[in-house]
Amino acid sequence: EDQVTQSPEALRLQEGESSSLNCSYTVSGLRGLFWYRQDPGKGPEFLFTLYSAGEEKEKERLKATLTKKESFLHITAPKPEDSATYLCAVQARSYNTDKLIFGTGTRLQVFP
Amino acid sequence: KAGVTQTPRYLIKTRGQQVTLSCSPISGHRSVSWYQQTPGQGLQFLFEYFSETQRNKGNFPGRFSGRQFSNSRSEMNVSTLELGDSALYLCASSSGTTDTQYFGPGTRLTVL
Repeated sequence: EDQVTQSPEALRLQEGESSSLNCSYTVSGLRGLFWYRQDPGKGPEFLFTLYSAGEEKEKERLKATLTKKESFLHITAPKPEDSATYLCAVQARSYNTDKLIFGTGTRLQVFP
Repeated sequence: KAGVTQTPRYLIKTRGQQVTLSCSPISGHRSVSWYQQTPGQGLQFLFEYFSETQRNKGNFPGRFSGRQFSNSRSEMNVSTLELGDSALYLCASSSGTTDTQYFGPGTRLTVL
């Protein structure tokens, strides 16, 4: 069964304290892996798409990497405004259709 | 370019009623997907429409239905509402099946 697991569920960081969020997946026919940021009461905001193992993408303090079994979202020197829930989603091929499977997210809190 | 818009933003209904939610995708996007988000289950895929045809469907009961119009705008309908239908309903658009999905702000549905 296709599955996406994110860890940790919640993470508290001091401002400037770098860390990484993990997204592990077991899917057949991976088509792409997506990272989103979601603020309370709002829709997810697109961050990155990764398509193949070894690929990396960067945006400001965020860097996403992909291996054959997992992806990491590295946050360097986070600021309080980085506080949000970070969602990972995998696009998988199943029965000749594509579907997007989301993890349950990592809730990040950054304190000044 | 304007983002994905959803109306209404908030709805309060009572059990047994029905509701219709609307989604306008990003201009030029032909694929619209709908998701239900709850604290316990996370983001769950409802269905996807492409060029007025339902192309993919999640594991939700038949009370949940949708349609897409020739201008790519989409509506989602839930009949015979149950308390458990209370959730944030998110719409996402993309230009094709394997492209990045961009989310709207969501419609918060509360069933009393």
